[in-house]
Amino acid sequence: GESVGLHLPTLSVQEGDNSIINCAYSNSASDYFIWYKQESGKGPQFIIDIRSNMDKRQGQRVTVLLNKTVKHLSLQIAATQPGDSAVYFCAENNHNQGGKLIFGQGTELSVKP
Amino acid sequence: GAGVSQSPSNKVTEKGKDVELRCDPISGHTALYWYRQRLGQGLEFLIYFQGNSAPDKSGLPSDRFSAERTGESVSTLTIQRTQQEDSAVYLCASSSGQGDQPQHFGDGTRLSIL
Repeated sequence: GESVGLHLPTLSVQEGDNSIINCAYSNSASDYFIWYKQESGKGPQFIIDIRSNMDKRQGQRVTVLLNKTVKHLSLQIAATQPGDSAVYFCAENNHNQGGKLIFGQGTELSVKP
Repeated sequence: GAGVSQSPSNKVTEKGKDVELRCDPISGHTALYWYRQRLGQGLEFLIYFQGNSAPDKSGLPSDRFSAERTGESVSTLTIQRTQQEDSAVYLCASSSGQGDQPQHFGDGTRLSIL
């Protein structure tokens, strides 16, 4: 069935380093992808999204890369800060299936000061 | 501006009781979604509403689960005859359209079934 998974369940980085969080998806028909950050006790917070007609999109300190050939998505965080510590989820959507998002299991990012 | 608001933030109830969870979406958002998140896991889609279209109920796990939405405003998720496996955080999101528009989430209702 459809699935979106993450390669690494946990990631520990030093403050100031760059972080890369990876995600694999299985549905080649997915055409919209989104990254969320979730802090303990809070709902997911939108970080950045990308449509399938793009392979890269940049935001403030974050970059999302999409490789449709190998069905891989990544989130890069530049100059990681302690406030970036959270669980990060990727999610996918196929517009032909309406608005529902299919989420991965999440990667916990821990930033060491 | 105001984000998605959910109530209650926590709910503890006995097995077999009915519960009703409420979601107030962002004003003007036509699409509203419900997800369930079990401890340490990703989000599972339950149901979504888009304007006046029939809701997509494909994610509801059993007929004990139902949801309603009044126009393009508040939504309620009802779980009847609760079971212990219903314990989870129930998250609501809204967006300005379906598909390729970011969904914005509330902080959820943490439901615990004793």
